[in-house]
Amino acid sequence: GAGVSQSPRYKVAKRGQDVALRCDPISGHVSLFWYQQALGQGPEFLTYFQNEAQLDKSGLPSDRFFAERPEGSVSTLKIQRTQQEDSAVYLCALGTGGVETQYFGPGTRLLVL
Amino acid sequence: AQSVAQPEDQVNVAEGNPLTVKCTYSVSGNPYLFWYVQYPNRGLQFLLKYITGDNLVKGSYGFEAEFNKSQTSFHLKKPSALVSDSALYFCAVANFNKFYFGSGTKLNVKP
Repeated sequence: GAGVSQSPRYKVAKRGQDVALRCDPISGHVSLFWYQQALGQGPEFLTYFQNEAQLDKSGLPSDRFFAERPEGSVSTLKIQRTQQEDSAVYLCALGTGGVETQYFGPGTRLLVL
Repeated sequence: AQSVAQPEDQVNVAEGNPLTVKCTYSVSGNPYLFWYVQYPNRGLQFLLKYITGDNLVKGSYGFEAEFNKSQTSFHLKKPSALVSDSALYFCAVANFNKFYFGSGTKLNVKP
């Protein structure tokens, strides 16, 4: 891919706990996307950044979900007061702007108990 | 509204035989169509895309896909399947930087 790492790779959280998932682009990319992939499903769009600006957050399922990319590089997806239905793989993807190929990181698998 | 349908949860094919993984789409405006493959415990890997031009698109690992506007389809094909092609395949349509993915098709290639 375009060179993107995600951490942690696996996270187990107790219900009600806050979690922070990190996406670290190795190379500079204008566009950064977050997706949620539930078990047995395709990825679903959460939010999109162009540089540091969050241009679309229409896919965030509730106000417990928050994403930021303060310097236009590393991005963090934060989930507050986690619920069992938040259990999924969270994917970060990079693009170069416009309608173009997105390159995906390995994902963070979140399990909320 | 944009949507993608992958009607088959699973496709089984013998090694050496041709394979087809089906995808149909619904978009407003021009479709930008993609195929990705996902191996266990790994992220999605780009295979190919259709933006405009020739309806037959060639991609990575010998895969190709045919864009059919009248049938609103974008089926993934390969002339001769390999066991190593066994994976989960996702079709996606792009609209204003959002990707809308299908639910995925598991491809099983038997030796």
